[in-house]
Amino acid sequence: DAGITQSPRHKVTETGTPVTLRCHQTENHRYMYWYRQDPGHGLRLIHYSYGVKDTDKGEVSDGYSVSRSKTEDFLLTLESATSSQTSVYFCAIRAPRRVAAGGLSYNEQFFGPGTRLTVL
Amino acid sequence: EDKVVQSPLSLVVHEGDTVTLNCSYEVTNFRSLLWYKQEKKAPTFLFMLTSSGIEKKSGRLSSILDKKELFSILNITATQTGDSAIYLCAVGRNSGNTPLVFGKGTRLSVIA
Repeated sequence: DAGITQSPRHKVTETGTPVTLRCHQTENHRYMYWYRQDPGHGLRLIHYSYGVKDTDKGEVSDGYSVSRSKTEDFLLTLESATSSQTSVYFCAIRAPRRVAAGGLSYNEQFFGPGTRLTVL
Repeated sequence: EDKVVQSPLSLVVHEGDTVTLNCSYEVTNFRSLLWYKQEKKAPTFLFMLTSSGIEKKSGRLSSILDKKELFSILNITATQTGDSAIYLCAVGRNSGNTPLVFGKGTRLSVIA
């Protein structure tokens, strides 16, 4: 458990309304990610952050914005939701893990529980 | 463009069978390859491989990496219905902040 929570866990909204999803972590990790997962497409990166106020776009960033004003929170906003944004959204963090050789590995990502968003 | 391709996309087997899932990749500045298991919820980490030819094992699951041929396999022996899941392969790169590149996953169904 990497101490990641997402809120809300489920949301139904109407086309054209703004929606904000929150990802919260408790362990001060620098890197945070937002993915969406859809059948046939796997996990697709929306945006990611490598520090407070440092964010970058992923492969499917159109229609989404993010903000990271403090280390523990990474917000994903749909300014005007569309039906094509109906999906399951996962937040992830990158956390160091001690490996057998005695060093630290920094490549693993750990995922939050997900938010199921339905846009009608 | 960096890419990770998994095969097959889906697979149905009977309990007790052995399965092999494949992951091939083309990425610049390869650092590591990771396997995740996803049941009805979020993906959970299984293995990370960085060196060729060294098998990682966890119970009935094992994985190996071939950095020359750019692929990895995930083996599951004596499959159980609890192994039914989507198995995701991802590749990490050395370049700074770059995120993992994920394949589309293999959906494994184990029937009794």
